Amino acid sequence: AQTVTQSQPEMSVQEAETVTLSCTYDTSESNYYLFWYKQPPSRQMILVIRQEAYKQQNATENRFSVNFQKAAKSFSLKISDSQLGDTAMYFCASFSQGGSEKLVFGKGTKLTVNP
Amino acid sequence: DTAVSQTPKYLVTQMGNDKSIKCEQNLGHDTMYWYKQDSKKFLKIMFSYNNKELIINETVPNRFSPKSPDKAHLNLHINSLELGDSAVYFCASSHLRRGNTEAFFGQGTRLTVV
Repeated sequence: AQTVTQSQPEMSVQEAETVTLSCTYDTSESNYYLFWYKQPPSRQMILVIRQEAYKQQNATENRFSVNFQKAAKSFSLKISDSQLGDTAMYFCASFSQGGSEKLVFGKGTKLTVNP
Repeated sequence: DTAVSQTPKYLVTQMGNDKSIKCEQNLGHDTMYWYKQDSKKFLKIMFSYNNKELIINETVPNRFSPKSPDKAHLNLHINSLELGDSAVYFCASSHLRRGNTEAFFGQGTRLTVV
């Protein structure tokens, strides 16, 4: 079965500091993708960053980067220079090709950026 | 242009009623989904359609019936609404099965059953 686990229900960080959100996953497929989605209070689901499992290089998008540890099945999100607008729920998700082929989400981490 | 649009955004209805939520995507994607987000924010897949064919049905009660008239539309009809159906329902679409690497979401429909 495909599972995604986020062990931090809530986190907070001071503006301009760096925070790391944890995610572990499990899949029996060799071809899969990993994602971090952001859900601000507006409730819109916004893609933050994605990682293809076959790529060894960690994905980076401006202030957002991931630490993809394939052997450990770990996919953490680092937010640098945190901004007030980063306050949101963050969901880790995986999609495995060839298996159930569904986008599975973790339970989310509520991140608050304090001024 | 909105990529994935759902209507309505808000829906308040009484127990026992039947209601529908509509979803349309203009991205040319093959696959569409319905997700339910409960009060604890947990996102759980309900259904997935690929080219109008049902490919995932995650043990959702029979009162929920999806319908895909074409690959750009996936509607959700709910019969005999119950209090526990109150949630935010998200429609999404993707080309993930082809290896394109993102699912796009609608803005969600907040359903409140009273």
